Amino acid sequence: ELKVEQNPLFLSMQEGKNYTIYCNYSTTSDRLYWYRQDPGKSLESLFVLLSNGAVKQEGRLMASLDTKARLSTLHITAAVHDLSATYFCAVDKVRSSNTGKLIFGQGTTLQVKP
Amino acid sequence: GAVVSQHPSRVICKSGTSVKIECRSLDFQATTMFWYRQFPKQSLMLMATSNEGSKATYEQGVEKDKFLINHASLTLSTLTVTSAHPEDSSFYICSANRDPGTNEQFFGPGTRLTVL
Repeated sequence: ELKVEQNPLFLSMQEGKNYTIYCNYSTTSDRLYWYRQDPGKSLESLFVLLSNGAVKQEGRLMASLDTKARLSTLHITAAVHDLSATYFCAVDKVRSSNTGKLIFGQGTTLQVKP
Repeated sequence: GAVVSQHPSRVICKSGTSVKIECRSLDFQATTMFWYRQFPKQSLMLMATSNEGSKATYEQGVEKDKFLINHASLTLSTLTVTSAHPEDSSFYICSANRDPGTNEQFFGPGTRLTVL
């Protein structure tokens, strides 16, 4: 059974601190996606990681992918309150396909305190 | 990014009635769209794949007679929850893929369904 597991599931941190969210998956998928969800809202695409070793950065967020370890990380640098949200990683249900079928992790709820 | 809309954003209905939710891709054509369901504080669960011009394909455990999907055009998919019951109350989200080179999904804003 395909599993996507995020760690931690809840993260409370102070503004200005750094932290990393981990996403482990059980298949041989070579692509991984990160999304952000604000309360009561839908998902916003953050990063699309398409190959082993891929690293992408946008503002205070940086995502990386290690397909051999089946691990992706989302690193937060100098957190600010606006980053408070739930972050999901997802992988293709069918490896290297464009079926559109994604399997999501449980989500990590990030709370940044002033 | 690509824009996907949903209508309505929120609906409250009585048990036993049917509810239709529309999903539109506004600035691109989507031969395939997807319907997800999300319970409070939980992750997204893929329900079905909506295919333009053909029948939808459902994930295991999803009742196709309960959740009717119609992909009428390259920009519109509809999900009808038939004979809704309180356990169908959920957040329903559709998505579509604009770029055939990746599987990046663009999500609609979601529809909050409450069945009384």
